[in-house]
Amino acid sequence: KQEVTQIPAALSVPEGENLVLNCSFTDSAIYNLQWFRQDPGKGLTSLLLIQSSQREQTSGRLNASLDKSSGRSTLYIAASQPGDSATYLCAVSPVAGGYQKVTFGTGTKLQVIP
Amino acid sequence: KAGVTQTPRYLIKTRGQQVTLSCSPISGHRSVSWYQQTPGQGLQFLFEYFSETQRNKGNFPGRFSGRQFSNSRSEMNVSTLELGDSALYLCASSSETGLLKPTGELFFGEGSRLTVL
Repeated sequence: KQEVTQIPAALSVPEGENLVLNCSFTDSAIYNLQWFRQDPGKGLTSLLLIQSSQREQTSGRLNASLDKSSGRSTLYIAASQPGDSATYLCAVSPVAGGYQKVTFGTGTKLQVIP
Repeated sequence: KAGVTQTPRYLIKTRGQQVTLSCSPISGHRSVSWYQQTPGQGLQFLFEYFSETQRNKGNFPGRFSGRQFSNSRSEMNVSTLELGDSALYLCASSSETGLLKPTGELFFGEGSRLTVL
């Protein structure tokens, strides 16, 4: 059974700092990995999708990397801003099994202090 | 292009009642998945529909049901509500065709916050 871990559970940084969020998974037979942000009481907003054949994806100040062999993905946020404060979740999709097998991490709650 | 729309956004029910939640996917998306999110359990998969057929189902009791219409809009229903059903219910749509790709990129709605008293 796939397990997805996000450490730390919470992170507080000063504005302007570059930071890295981690996502670890136990089964390397994945199809894709997706990063989301969630604001309190809201839905999940898709940030980046990395296919299993890719090593990284970039969107603006965000860069996500994937290392299947080590079961790890990182989300790099450059020059953090207070508006980046949210909970960040990763989700791992398997090669087989459909949507019921998509496994979500429990998230890292990020606070960027002005 | 409009995103995933969920209605209602908030609702309060009492134990024993039933509730119906609606989800309109992104235009052209035929896959709709439903999730329950609670502080203690995180995101838990309920079911997934594709072209009006339930393809996947999570480990929830039969009180939780759903359906999908020909225009891909989906509804989920919870009957005989219990206090533990209080949660944020999220739906997500995907453009994957269901032919060769296992899963596609998920796009979520804002959710329906259900409170059971």
